[in-house]
Amino acid sequence: EAGVAQSPRYKIIEKRQSVAFWCNPISGHATLYWYQQILGQGPKLLIQFQNNGVVDDSQLPKDRFSAERLKGVDSTLKIQPAKLEDSAVYLCASSGGSGTYEQYFGPGTRLTVT
Amino acid sequence: DQQVKQNSPSLSVQEGRISILNCDYTNSMFDYFLWYKKYPAEGPTFLISISSIKDKNEDGRFTVFLNKSAKHLSLHIVPSQPGDSAVYFCAARASNSGYALNFGKGTSLLVTP
Repeated sequence: EAGVAQSPRYKIIEKRQSVAFWCNPISGHATLYWYQQILGQGPKLLIQFQNNGVVDDSQLPKDRFSAERLKGVDSTLKIQPAKLEDSAVYLCASSGGSGTYEQYFGPGTRLTVT
Repeated sequence: DQQVKQNSPSLSVQEGRISILNCDYTNSMFDYFLWYKKYPAEGPTFLISISSIKDKNEDGRFTVFLNKSAKHLSLHIVPSQPGDSAVYFCAARASNSGYALNFGKGTSLLVTP
């Protein structure tokens, strides 16, 4: 079974530029999550999708971050414009059927904003 | 507000000995707890979990203990192996927040030969 795929793996941009990250979850997983992990911290949830609907985006900085999950499969997370404090690893995770709380993570995208 | 706390940033253990990683939480609505293992440049990998209705769950060399009254859980690795060297994250799910997980800051485990 293929795992969660993310691209790109690394990205370096200047502040005020925009960037987009892509995630393809495990086949059949209805729930998809985007996390932000700042160096030395644990992952922090940004947004959670159930199929193509948003379940929780309470911690997403909506003035600069946006995410979508068209057709309930792939997802894209965008930052526009980026700030220095957005430098982090962006992790995508997915989880499967009812009663399953384990989330399966992709390798992450390391973003450096200069 | 850190609801899941891992107060030991690092731990060093000799190969063959027991590794004990600790985690404390503050939210009484947490009802499911998970441990993840993370190698550098990789995403976290699910290791073991426990429901709040249990006090112990075992899977091979890994055992998780839950003390609800103390709001404390621990991960025991016996015997520890050099390949266990990684960052371990404790995570918890609240019964009133869907499937979102709250993570601790992690403990870096080094198992020396």
